[in-house]
Amino acid sequence: EDKVVQSPLSLVVHEGDTVTLNCSYEVTNFRSLLWYKQEKKAPTFLFMLTSSGIEKKSGRLSSILDKKELFSILNITATQTGDSAIYLCAVELSNSNSGYALNFGKGTSLLVTP
Amino acid sequence: DAGITQSPRHKVTETGTPVTLRCHQTENHRYMYWYRQDPGHGLRLIHYSYGVKDTDKGEVSDGYSVSRSKTEDFLLTLESATSSQTSVYFCAISESWGAKHAEAFFGQGTRLTVV
Repeated sequence: EDKVVQSPLSLVVHEGDTVTLNCSYEVTNFRSLLWYKQEKKAPTFLFMLTSSGIEKKSGRLSSILDKKELFSILNITATQTGDSAIYLCAVELSNSNSGYALNFGKGTSLLVTP
Repeated sequence: DAGITQSPRHKVTETGTPVTLRCHQTENHRYMYWYRQDPGHGLRLIHYSYGVKDTDKGEVSDGYSVSRSKTEDFLLTLESATSSQTSVYFCAISESWGAKHAEAFFGQGTRLTVV
């Protein structure tokens, strides 16, 4: 059974702290790993990772994938209250019908306090 | 923002009644998905479509059916709603070309309550 496991499930930090969110996976037919941020309603896309060791960066957020150890991390530096959200990790899988689907982890709920 | 509209946005229905949720896109994307989101479970795939009239089951498809008669619309039907189907339902779309094809865009969600 395909699994995507995120840790921690919840986290409370102070503004200015650096946080690291983890995502490990055990899947067949891996294609890519994605990170999403969900604030109030729909998840919004952050990063897509397909190759090991290549860091993706956007402002204070960065992410990297290790396809040998089957995990990814999402780093947020100098956190702000606006970073408070649920961060979702998803693994893209291909399947026999020439399609693909995203399997999501349960998410990490991050609260940044002033 | 990607053009995805879910309707209705909120619905309360009685156990045993059929319910249909609609997802409409204006992006002409090939793939469309229905997910449900529940506390402690994250987003779970119900059904997805990889083209008109081409659909497949996800991990939690029991009690749900879908139809896609045209590119822009993907319907999710609860044949006979049960309380366990109380959830927030998200539709998502994505293209299928190049390195960006896994980037899915989500609708705003439909909150369904089965009483």
